[in-house]
Amino acid sequence: GAGVSQSPSNKVTEKGKDVELRCDPISGHTALYWYRQSLGQGLEFLIYFQGNSAPDKSGLPSDRFSAERTGGSVSTLTIQRTQQEDSAVYLCASSYTSSGTPQYFGPGTRLLVL
Amino acid sequence: AQRVTQPEKLLSVFKGAPVELKCNYSYSGSPELFWYVQYSRQRLQLLLRHISRESIKGFTADLNKGETSFHLKKPFAQEEDSAMYYCALSGQGQGNLIFGKGTKLSVKP
Repeated sequence: GAGVSQSPSNKVTEKGKDVELRCDPISGHTALYWYRQSLGQGLEFLIYFQGNSAPDKSGLPSDRFSAERTGGSVSTLTIQRTQQEDSAVYLCASSYTSSGTPQYFGPGTRLLVL
Repeated sequence: AQRVTQPEKLLSVFKGAPVELKCNYSYSGSPELFWYVQYSRQRLQLLLRHISRESIKGFTADLNKGETSFHLKKPFAQEEDSAMYYCALSGQGQGNLIFGKGTKLSVKP
């Protein structure tokens, strides 16, 4: 079947606007991860969902960032009042094990905040 | 502090030569170590993990707890190995991977 998909593939927004990024994991995968990749910081962990457990939000950089996962499948990452430093590629990944290892990454959403 | 260091931003070798991508880590506890690879215009993908003790595409990596290293090795590099390689660690069973900055491997013909 299809791999992890993300939408949109590119997003340009103005500083101060809110954005929503979507991730569709591989069907049946219980674990879902959000990371971001930027030139200055490399790959950074944001948040991790595992089944029905409370998500690990320890990587969210500020309270402007939030994420939810509905029905154990699709996830949405929301950034409120975007700042220029939020510009990055946002990557979603999923895995079917409970090992905590992201196995399959999506293509990413490239976010540019002007 | 928890940290992954990949000292080389770029590593260039000729086809057929051995290659070693260095990774050192700092972690209090027993980490799990991984290598990820991203080929040009492709998605990031898991290459191998230390607990599996596997060889993928001819690559191996041994965890050296004494030297806190997890270097990735291949005896004979191929042109198709050219890619970005990221070393990463996590606590056991945790999803919050800490990544190194990556090493770009270029294999020349």
